[in-house]
Amino acid sequence: KAGVTQTPRYLIKTRGQQVTLSCSPISGHRSVSWYQQTPGQGLQFLFEYFSETQRNKGNFPGRFSGRQFSNSRSEMNVSTLELGDSALYLCASTGLAGNNEQFFGPGTRLTVL
Amino acid sequence: AQTVTQSQPEMSVQEAETVTLSCTYDTSENNYYLFWYKQPPSRQMILVIRQEAYKQQNATENRFSVNFQKAAKSFSLKISDSQLGDTAMYFCAFIQIQGAQKLVFGQGTRLTINP
Repeated sequence: KAGVTQTPRYLIKTRGQQVTLSCSPISGHRSVSWYQQTPGQGLQFLFEYFSETQRNKGNFPGRFSGRQFSNSRSEMNVSTLELGDSALYLCASTGLAGNNEQFFGPGTRLTVL
Repeated sequence: AQTVTQSQPEMSVQEAETVTLSCTYDTSENNYYLFWYKQPPSRQMILVIRQEAYKQQNATENRFSVNFQKAAKSFSLKISDSQLGDTAMYFCAFIQIQGAQKLVFGQGTRLTINP
């Protein structure tokens, strides 16, 4: 079974631009969660989607948004990029095994100049 | 709100030694899972071991085992016969059983295995 995939793997943007990151979960997984990882703040939860609905949202400004499609693929969008948005963005999918185990993708490294 | 604390920012041991990474957490939930994730330089987050809070028996996966003390809200990871490939960041994480799939992570422990 293929793992979680994220595209692109690396991205360089300038302040004020917007960016869209994509995540394809493991086949059959319906829950997708997004995390931001920075040296200063560590790993922080952004939001989680299940069956195309956002179930929970972390403490991030409204510039961070996401969505999930009917095939469970998810995208997150960051508008009006700031230097502080430079981070590794990880997505994870959760199956229905009932153990809440999250399988992570390789991440997208976003650099904002 | 749940919090996870890892008090050891960095640790270093010799190959084949045993090392223990500490983790404490705070929650008012009674049912939850605890995890240890490994993040090598490749940045791929890999699950090392999982513990269900309702199980008294400590989880074990080959060279990796945990010491889960629910009353003390402590969840340490022991790595036996450490190998060079164990060099990585290790994150302790908490998730409640019901509700959204939101992992709460500790700040991580950078573990270096020296030859």
